[in-house]
Amino acid sequence: NAGVTQTPKFQVLKTGQSMTLQCAQDMNHNSMYWYRQDPGMGLRLIYYSASEGTTDKGEVPNGYNVSRLNKREFSLRLESAAPSQTSVYFCASRDGGDRYEQYFGPGTRLTVT
Amino acid sequence: QKEVEQDPGPLSVPEGAIVSLNCTYSNSAFQYFMWYRQYSRKGPELLMYTYSSGNKEDGRFTAQVDKSSKYISLFIRDSQPSDSATYLCAMRGLISYDKVIFGPGTSLSVIP
Repeated sequence: NAGVTQTPKFQVLKTGQSMTLQCAQDMNHNSMYWYRQDPGMGLRLIYYSASEGTTDKGEVPNGYNVSRLNKREFSLRLESAAPSQTSVYFCASRDGGDRYEQYFGPGTRLTVT
Repeated sequence: QKEVEQDPGPLSVPEGAIVSLNCTYSNSAFQYFMWYRQYSRKGPELLMYTYSSGNKEDGRFTAQVDKSSKYISLFIRDSQPSDSATYLCAMRGLISYDKVIFGPGTSLSVIP
């Protein structure tokens, strides 16, 4: 099992450009998450999908959109990138229900110039 | 005030030392407490999980929760160079399965 995979690993964008970060999990998990990690701020939840077909906002959703494409895949889109969105983005998944452990992908390092 | 506070370090200790990592929090609704370990340029991985107050031991690791003080700790005995990583505390409420709040992390280096 690959677990949680993310593409791309690195990306540099210019202000105003758009891009989609891809995430896939092969553990048949119900819940999936997108976080950003900034120095001194910890992981902050952007959006999550508790089950296929549902998405909800987290703590910092502004400037982002998500799509739960199917049970395996959960993408994060930046429509018009801003320098404040420079960060490391992590996707995670969880089995669902009262299962507590989140499994994280390796991250995408995004720089917006 | 942040919901979860954690000393960012860096913390540097000699191999074999006992390490104490701590977090404080402000939301009394938190019931589940976790410690994640994150190696450089990797995703976090769950290390320990505790419900409500008390201690939990797993090998060289002990997690401690004091809900009355809103204070949690992770102790590492006989620390090894392979323990060098950033340690993130995390917590959530009774039914908030999806909204986990993470601390900013403490960077630990164990020197051989």
